[in-house]
Amino acid sequence: QKEVEQDPGPLSVPEGAIVSLNCTYSNSAFQYFMWYRQYSRKGPELLMYTYSSGNKEDGRFTAQVDKSSKYISLFIRDSQPSDSATYLCAMSAENAGGTSYGKLTFGQGTILTVHP
Amino acid sequence: DTEVTQTPKHLVMGMTNKKSLKCEQHMGHRAMYWYKQKAKKPPELMFVYSYEKLSINESVPSRFSPECPNSSLLNLHLHALQPEDSALYLCASSQGLTGPYNEQFFGPGTRLTVL
Repeated sequence: QKEVEQDPGPLSVPEGAIVSLNCTYSNSAFQYFMWYRQYSRKGPELLMYTYSSGNKEDGRFTAQVDKSSKYISLFIRDSQPSDSATYLCAMSAENAGGTSYGKLTFGQGTILTVHP
Repeated sequence: DTEVTQTPKHLVMGMTNKKSLKCEQHMGHRAMYWYKQKAKKPPELMFVYSYEKLSINESVPSRFSPECPNSSLLNLHLHALQPEDSALYLCASSQGLTGPYNEQFFGPGTRLTVL
């Protein structure tokens, strides 16, 4: 079993739809959670960075963390064709020591297409 | 400014060549990273530098040699690569290695093709 599970999709939605992207994880040491957007042949772009359970909103994006269920989500409201990309969740452990220092554990990425 | 720059954008090299990838950040970050990414896969950590010292080497073959000349620069020296090393090479930086300081910002990557 992978430490982080993410449905690779692909996910195809019409413009204006609400998109829900999800990751589950098994390592309870994970305390920091990130969502990255990656366009084809480009580097990942950090969208959201969260620590505590609950919601964090930034424009059309809402990140949700449920540590009790080991489940994180990214919601995109009013989706646009420009949101078409691969979305990667990533997480890191609190006060990681030794060889875990600095390591992010990524999900496999979800390919999203928003069609006009 | 949350920009990490990488040069070159594209690189084609033969198996006997020696080349270098460069990465630069001016955010005052003290941790820098090299990742390798194959198509349709997440980034795979190669090296971590903290305060210009190598912190993590994820058992990367010696044909990849990292160097951190100062706190803003990170190089990856390549020698005698194999065709299976063809990938997108990503540089990232963060304020530090732990907790909230491990928010990593990525560069655009160098697309490497080994013939």
